[in-house]
Amino acid sequence: AQSVAQPEDQVNVAEGNPLTVKCTYSVSGNPYLFWYVQYPNRGLQFLLKYITGDNLVKGSYGFEAEFNKSQTSFHLKKPSALVSDSALYFCAVRDFTSGTYKYIFGTGTRLKVLA
Amino acid sequence: DAGVIQSPRHEVTEMGQEVTLRCKPISGHDYLFWYRQTMMRGLELLIYFNNNVPIDDSGMPEDRFSAKMPNASFSTLKIQPSEPRDSAVYFCASSPDRGAYGYTFGSGTRLTVV
Repeated sequence: AQSVAQPEDQVNVAEGNPLTVKCTYSVSGNPYLFWYVQYPNRGLQFLLKYITGDNLVKGSYGFEAEFNKSQTSFHLKKPSALVSDSALYFCAVRDFTSGTYKYIFGTGTRLKVLA
Repeated sequence: DAGVIQSPRHEVTEMGQEVTLRCKPISGHDYLFWYRQTMMRGLELLIYFNNNVPIDDSGMPEDRFSAKMPNASFSTLKIQPSEPRDSAVYFCASSPDRGAYGYTFGSGTRLTVV
């Protein structure tokens, strides 16, 4: 079965430091992987995606993610965190099984950037 | 474009009442998705439509839940009768394709059933 895991409920990082939010996946076939961010009382916003091509994917707000096929990971990164990056982050994989097309979301990781 | 528009933003209702949540997708987006978000279960896909036709409703929790999409610009999610365990944030999302380029989510409807 297709699945995605976010092993950390919360990540704390000091402003200006690099940040990493972890995601691992399990899919049959080639994965379509996504990161979304959710600010309080808002819907999810698309950050970036990996479908094919370069393993390092760049997205919105200075975020990037590295696809690692051997480790089945798709970690979200940013070189220098901002307080405004504090939010809930979701990793998702597109599920191709049963002929339908839908995302499976991880449980989310709350990022807290400390001033 | 105004994005995906959901109404109401907040709904408080009594157990047993009918609740209708509304969604207007982005014009030209052929796919529409209804998700439910709770602390316990995270984000769950309830149902999705393609060209107004329901494709996968396997996530609809029970017969009390129903969803319709009478035209390309409007969808409803109805709960009848509502129960306290239905309290959650319900999101609508739309996409121009099968999701290869990401979804656009609405701001959600926070439902509280007392």
